[in-house]
Amino acid sequence: GENVEQHPSTLSVQEGDSAVIKCTYSDSASNYFPWYKQELGKRPQLIIDIRSNVGEKKDQRIAVTLNKTAKHFSLHITETQPEDSAVYFCAASGTSGSARQLTFGSGTQLTVLP
Amino acid sequence: SAVISQKPSRDICQRGTSLTIQCQVDSQVTMMFWYRQQPGQSLTLIATANQGSEATYESGFVIDKFPISRPNLTFSTLTVSNMSPEDSSIYLCSVTGPNTGELFFGEGSRLTVL
Repeated sequence: GENVEQHPSTLSVQEGDSAVIKCTYSDSASNYFPWYKQELGKRPQLIIDIRSNVGEKKDQRIAVTLNKTAKHFSLHITETQPEDSAVYFCAASGTSGSARQLTFGSGTQLTVLP
Repeated sequence: SAVISQKPSRDICQRGTSLTIQCQVDSQVTMMFWYRQQPGQSLTLIATANQGSEATYESGFVIDKFPISRPNLTFSTLTVSNMSPEDSSIYLCSVTGPNTGELFFGEGSRLTVL
């Protein structure tokens, strides 16, 4: 089955700096890669996703890049703000509509220092 | 989007007892998913609840320990049976959005087993 590795496990950045979180996956058939943000005590929420037919996607300060050849994808947050502090989970799926095929990474605790 | 209500939001339970978590969705969905999130850990899929058929369990999870009901297209329950301290976790109900495949989560049920 799919194996998703996520690094780093913790990340601290100064407010205004950029943050990058990286994930690798094992199943070359995976074609959907979402990122979830989980604030302390709250539910995970989708912040951005990318499908295998594109290499990059941006949404304001957040971007995701995908390298299918190397089987890795990354989350980039620019101009970080204290409210970006949360745990971020990457995931990989063979079918976007099936949670049974969605494998989550281990999570990254991002702390943005004011 | 999907609005998911879970209850209880938290509970403290005694070893050996069982607790049932309820999940209500504001729209009809084919599949509902139950996740476990152990303290400081990632999201692990327990089972997929299908209306009109038995739930499908992931490796490491069995029906005797986590019986699931799915009486209609908007409601499901997960029971954690014969609890031990190792069952202390957040249990999350989830559904897939109708168009994008995005996973929506309930707010979770935080169980502490003494």
